[in-house]
Amino acid sequence: KNEVEQSPQNLTAQEGEFITINCSYSVGISALHWLQQHPGGGIVSLFMLSSGKKKHGRLIATINIQEKHSSLHITASHPRDSAVYICARTTGNQFYFGTGTSLTVIP
Amino acid sequence: DTGVSQDPRHKITKRGQNVTFRCDPISEHNRLYWYRQTLGQGPEFLTYFQNEAQLEKSRLLSDRFSAERPKGSFSTLEIQRTEQGDSAMYLCASSSLPGQGPYEQYFGPGTRLTVT
Repeated sequence: KNEVEQSPQNLTAQEGEFITINCSYSVGISALHWLQQHPGGGIVSLFMLSSGKKKHGRLIATINIQEKHSSLHITASHPRDSAVYICARTTGNQFYFGTGTSLTVIP
Repeated sequence: DTGVSQDPRHKITKRGQNVTFRCDPISEHNRLYWYRQTLGQGPEFLTYFQNEAQLEKSRLLSDRFSAERPKGSFSTLEIQRTEQGDSAMYLCASSSLPGQGPYEQYFGPGTRLTVT
């Protein structure tokens, strides 16, 4: 199976809260990606991981290859972080996407 | 702007009509992908090109769908005899080959198709 599972599906947080979005997959991967999609459709790549941890500003992504699990953390969340966050794995030449986590950060 | 562009951004058509979408990738990228995304779902792979060669097609791509990338630059996706179930966002993405840089995909803004 090519499933990529994300949790939670929907998340509402107060501004300033620490947020965690989880992603699990069931097969070997070349890389794990975190993407952000704003209303209107545009998708932006946030991280590409094959091991360990990456940080960019208030965003942190981690991956545990043995457990086939990745997390995206947002520190000091802000209303402008409101978007859909999508996890995707690459195996071979293709991307396989999760269904996304819809995040709403309330001021 | 040197990103991926798609045209049109929105298309409303009547059932049974043909539609064609265009994608212009980042100029130095030799891979181009088409995806379909319905509400509440992640993108689903349709097909991809390496230069002008169409290397893989999903089973989602029925006989009514055809994609081309004639000169290895822009690509078109045509849907013939549209059905209401074709209503979705059609996303295009491009990337460079592994070994030529990080294997990330860069997405266009998408074409939202509504079939009435």
